Order: sequence, then C-alpha cells, then structure tokens
Amino acid sequence: KAGVTQTPRYLIKTRGQQVTLSCSPISGHRSVSWYQQTPGQGLQFLFEYFSETQRNKGNFPGRFSGRQFSNSRSEMNVSTLELGDSALYLCASSLTPGGESPLHFGNGTRLTVT
Amino acid sequence: AQTVTQSQPEMSVQEAETVTLSCTYDTSENNYYLFWYKQPPSRQMILVIRQEAYKQQNATENRFSVNFQKAAKSFSLKISDSQLGDTAMYFCATRNSNSGYALNFGKGTSLLVTP
Repeated sequence: KAGVTQTPRYLIKTRGQQVTLSCSPISGHRSVSWYQQTPGQGLQFLFEYFSETQRNKGNFPGRFSGRQFSNSRSEMNVSTLELGDSALYLCASSLTPGGESPLHFGNGTRLTVT
Repeated sequence: AQTVTQSQPEMSVQEAETVTLSCTYDTSENNYYLFWYKQPPSRQMILVIRQEAYKQQNATENRFSVNFQKAAKSFSLKISDSQLGDTAMYFCATRNSNSGYALNFGKGTSLLVTP
C-alpha cells in the first residue's frame, strides 16, 4: 500500500507570495493532519481535516488555511509568506481522527521563504 | 496544553548495545495515547511504538520497548541491539481528547549509533 505522498518536496518562495502544498493520504485513510517543523519551535500542529471538514485547528494565524477533497486528498495554503514560515511541513493521515488511530507521515515539503 | 519533555538532546550508543531515551509528560487526563516517532535524515516521521495509557502492559515492537510509568508520567524508549540504521531524531508524543487528538511532540533526542 502506498504511503502518504506530499508534493512538492522542495519550494522556494519570496516574502509576500502565497504557496499551496499537497498531500495524498494512504488509501482508505480519511483523516489528514498538517504539522510545521522548525528548529526553534519544533513540531507544531496546524490543522486536521476529516470528511472534508476541518475538525481541529492549532494556534496559527489565518494566513494558514487548508482544505480536504472528497477523495481525502488535502491541500494547505499559506498566504502573504513571511520569512518565519520557512519550515518543513509534514502531512499525516489516519483511518479516523480518534487517538486510537495512529498517524502515518509523509516525507514533508521543505519551504524556504527568501 | 500538554507538555512533553525529552531531557536528552543528544545521545550516542555503540552498535549492538542498548540505549534508553527518556520522556516525561504533563497531562490532567486519565485516558490518552503515547507514541515514539523516529525521523531519519530522509525526513519522514516513522512510528516506532505506541502505548494506550489505560493499558498497564508495556508495548514492545521487536527491538523497541517502552517503560510506561503512568503515575510518574514517564514514557521511556529502550532500543536493544542498536543498529546503524537506528541513527535518527526520536520524538516522544502524546494525544488526548483535550487537544482534539492532535499530536503533541517533545523537542526530540538525536541518537547516533556508532560502529
């Protein structure tokens, strides 16, 4: 079974631009979560989608948004990029949103904002 | 918010030896889930082992086992017969209903396995 697929692997953007990252979950998984990983803040939860609905959100500004499609694929968007948005963005999928369903992660998208 | 503390930023172990990574956490909940994830240089976060807090028996996955002390809020990972491929960042994480089951990660321990 294919794992979680994130595209692209690398992105370079300039301040003020916007960016869209994509995530395809493991087949059959309906919950998709996004995490930001930086050297300073570590791993932080962005949001989670289940059945095309955002069911949980972390403490990030409104410039960070996401959505989920009917096939469970998810995208996250960051508008008006700032230097501090440079990070590894990890997507994870699980069968259900509950704690008993472990998260499986993709390889991440490395975003660099210049 | 839950706090997950990994007190060892870096550790080193020789191949075939055993190493234990520490993790403590803070929660007011009675039911929650605990995880160890491994992140090698390839960047992918790989689930190593998981433990449900309501289960007293410590989880084991091949060479990986945990020592779960619920009262002490401690969840250490033991790696036996260490292999070069175990070199990675190891993250301890918790999930509970209070946070909507989002993973709450520690800062990580960088483990180096040497020949």
